[in-house]
Amino acid sequence: EAGVAQSPRYKIIEKRQSVAFWCNPISGHATLYWYQQILGQGPKLLIQFQNNGVVDDSQLPKDRFSAERLKGVDSTLKIQPAKLEDSAVYLCASVAAGGSQETQYFGPGTRLLVL
Amino acid sequence: GDSVTQMEGPVTLSEEAFLTINCTYTATGYPSLFWYVQYPGEGLQLLLKATKADDKGSNKGFEATYRKETTSFHLEKGSVQVSDSAVYFCALLTGANNLFFGTGTRLTVIP
Repeated sequence: EAGVAQSPRYKIIEKRQSVAFWCNPISGHATLYWYQQILGQGPKLLIQFQNNGVVDDSQLPKDRFSAERLKGVDSTLKIQPAKLEDSAVYLCASVAAGGSQETQYFGPGTRLLVL
Repeated sequence: GDSVTQMEGPVTLSEEAFLTINCTYTATGYPSLFWYVQYPGEGLQLLLKATKADDKGSNKGFEATYRKETTSFHLEKGSVQVSDSAVYFCALLTGANNLFFGTGTRLTVIP
């Protein structure tokens, strides 16, 4: 079974530029999460999707971050415009329908550096 | 609010040494507790879990016991191997289904 795929793996941009990350969850997984992991910290939930609907986006800085999962499969996370403090690893995770949150499968992450 | 406090690293041990990584939590209600592991170049993966007080989670020689009286979930392994080198995250799942992670502890095991 293929795992959660994320791209790109690394991205370097200048502040005020825009960037987008892509996630392809495990086939059939209904729930998808985006996390931000700043260096030296644990992952922090940004947004949770159930199929193509948003379940929880209370921690998403909506003035600059947006995410979508239009067809309930792939998802994109966008930052516009980026700030220095957005430098982090962005993790995507998915859970099968009916699965519990702790059993989510994580992708390898996209490491973002904002200069 | 709900949170997890984890032993700071990095931790460096010789092969076959005993490992303890401390984790304490603050939560309302009765959370479930977890340890995740992130091997170099790989994604986070669940290592073990405990869903109620006095439960012991175990996997791959690692163990952790849910201690409600001390609000702790310390990770232990009797004899570490080089292949255990990774970053370990303690986490809790609240009744509202929110997953909180600790800051992670990097373990390096040297031959």
